[in-house]
Amino acid sequence: DGGITQSPKYLFRKEGQNVTLSCEQNLNHDAMYWYRQDPGQGLRLIYYSQIVNDFQKGDIAEGYSVSREKKESFPLTVTSAQKNPTAFYLCASSIVGRDYDKNIQYFGAGTRLSVL
Amino acid sequence: GDSVTQMEGPVTLSEEAFLTINCTYTATGYPSLFWYVQYPGEGLQLLLKATKADDKGSNKGFEATYRKETTSFHLEKGSVQVSDSAVYFCALHASGGSYIPTFGRGTSLIVHP
Repeated sequence: DGGITQSPKYLFRKEGQNVTLSCEQNLNHDAMYWYRQDPGQGLRLIYYSQIVNDFQKGDIAEGYSVSREKKESFPLTVTSAQKNPTAFYLCASSIVGRDYDKNIQYFGAGTRLSVL
Repeated sequence: GDSVTQMEGPVTLSEEAFLTINCTYTATGYPSLFWYVQYPGEGLQLLLKATKADDKGSNKGFEATYRKETTSFHLEKGSVQVSDSAVYFCALHASGGSYIPTFGRGTSLIVHP
């Protein structure tokens, strides 16, 4: 089955530690995205990437970093500079094109990050 | 810029009740409109969509009609089930070709037996 796999499902970070969230897709989608979800705040875009080796900051990129070395993979690192990292993190992917159907987003099951 | 406004939740209903979740938007041109659903502990999945004015999207008993005159895309279901308990997100894609959607804040629906 095609889809998006996020791991781990739960992650705990110690103070001063960097942690990396994995996101892999086998949908052959060009674009990938990272969102942060906090209760009552909906989804906020952290980073997105349309092609390999290129990515752009979203609305709340500070304290996060990403890479896009392969089309299938878009890992997110939560650095020690992110002072309030406790949240639910969602990875998504989409085809990119002028047809609106191509921009439908497909989501992974999420990673819940907590601070110890 | 573009924006989506949803009614605040939680919306609490008894099984078989009628559901309406309001969604209004602000955007230039002619955006496409979407409803996504997030079941507990999961990611979002597309529920339905409409790409032009007066289109009606439907899926799993849910419906929403693209009303350009009122800039609205309200979600409705005639008879909800306990299994419909989830968070519902209204979203738009701008007509300028941006592939980044604008999401509303989400509305939590709780259905009691």
